[in-house]
Amino acid sequence: KAGVTQTPRYLIKTRGQQVTLSCSPISGHRSVSWYQQTPGQGLQFLFEYFSETQRNKGNFPGRFSGRQFSNSRSEMNVSTLELGDSALYLCASSLGAGRASGNTIYFGEGSWLTVV
Amino acid sequence: TQLLEQSPQFLSIQEGENLTVYCNSSSVFSSLQWYRQEPGEGPVLLVTVVTGGEVKKLKRLTFQFGDARKDSSLHITAAQPGDTGLYLCAGPNNDMRFGAGTRLTVKP
Repeated sequence: KAGVTQTPRYLIKTRGQQVTLSCSPISGHRSVSWYQQTPGQGLQFLFEYFSETQRNKGNFPGRFSGRQFSNSRSEMNVSTLELGDSALYLCASSLGAGRASGNTIYFGEGSWLTVV
Repeated sequence: TQLLEQSPQFLSIQEGENLTVYCNSSSVFSSLQWYRQEPGEGPVLLVTVVTGGEVKKLKRLTFQFGDARKDSSLHITAAQPGDTGLYLCAGPNNDMRFGAGTRLTVKP
């Protein structure tokens, strides 16, 4: 079955602009999580959605937001872009929500965002 | 400070050598996972360890979960260039927390 699909793969934006990234989870998966990956900070958790509800949020400013649709597809938005927002943004999907249950998460290939 | 500390940060070895990378925490985890990430791709799950003291083998890769469930190791025997990548450990903590990773390069 198809894996996690993220679009676009690469994009360049200028400071102050906003960006929307899209993620289609594996069919049947209802949980979608977003991560930011940078060389200096590694993989940082942004937020998790399950059944259109945000279940958990990482320590990022309010400029970072997301949503999930009824078909489990998710989008994340970053407003007022800063140079430091340049990163690989990864989406991951899993069957259920919550990590204590040990749900396996599957990552997409990511969206490379460069802010100039 | 990372919840999961991985060491070494970088490792460059010759094909055929053995290596061990470590994942340590002061917190107890119900499980730990290991991922490998290749350039331009997302992380791919290698294994999940759940029981303290558990050892799992995946071909030339051996994963061990510490008895106290605070640490884990990954040992690769006779490394090959195809093993090159970023190795990440991760554990559930409300959300999934990742270590900074060990970047492994295996030279032919």
